Amino acid sequence: KNEVEQSPQNLTAQEGEFITINCSYSVGISALHWLQQHPGGGIVSLFMLSSGKKKHGRLIATINIQEKHSSLHITASHPRDSAVYICAVIYGNKLVFGAGTILRVKS
Amino acid sequence: DTAVSQTPKYLVTQMGNDKSIKCEQNLGHDTMYWYKQDSKKFLKIMFSYNNKELIINETVPNRFSPKSPDKAHLNLHINSLELGDSAVYFCASSQSGLGLNEQFFGPGTRLTVL
Repeated sequence: KNEVEQSPQNLTAQEGEFITINCSYSVGISALHWLQQHPGGGIVSLFMLSSGKKKHGRLIATINIQEKHSSLHITASHPRDSAVYICAVIYGNKLVFGAGTILRVKS
Repeated sequence: DTAVSQTPKYLVTQMGNDKSIKCEQNLGHDTMYWYKQDSKKFLKIMFSYNNKELIINETVPNRFSPKSPDKAHLNLHINSLELGDSAVYFCASSQSGLGLNEQFFGPGTRLTVL
C-alpha cells in the first residue's frame, strides 16, 4: 500500500463547478506538494505546504497535519484546468507521490 | 529561456544498448533530481544531487548511473537497457533540497526500449 492515497482517481466536472481533490498520507511529513501534469506531459509545481492554507488564483490548497490530509480546490473550473493533479509528500529524505487524479472539465 | 531542459525528447533504442539523457538548468539551483514515470503515469524519484553530491539514491538498478559534472547539469546514463526501462524520465531542479522548495521540471524524455 502506497503511503499516499489520492481520491478520486478520475473526476469529470462541468465548467464552473467547484472541484475538490483529496490526498491522504500515512506517515509524518515535513512538506506536501501539489503538482499539475498537463495533457501534453509537462509538470508544474502548484503548491508546497507544511501547514494551513495557500491560495493562488482559483486554486486553493489546504493541509491538516493531525488528520494527515490535504485537499486541492479549484473554484470556477474551466476546461483548461483539465490535467492530472498529483500529490507528493516529503518525510525524512524521501519523496513519495500519489497516483494522481485525472480531471476533465467539460464546457 | 528554458529553465530546465532535457535532451533528447524521444529516445528509441534496442535492448542491451547503453544510452544517456542530459539535463541542464539555468536557474542557479543547487539541487537536481531524476524521476521516472511509468506506463501507468506513476511518478517515482530516482536520484537527487545537491551541489554535485548525491543525496537521494532510491532503489534503482545499478545500471542507472547519474553524473553531475557541475551543479547546472545532471545526466542519467543507463547501461544494458531492458524492456522495463521504457518510461518517461523527468529531470527537475529546486533552490535547495526537498522541503518547501518549488521544483521546476524539464519537459521529459520518452524512452522506448524495443
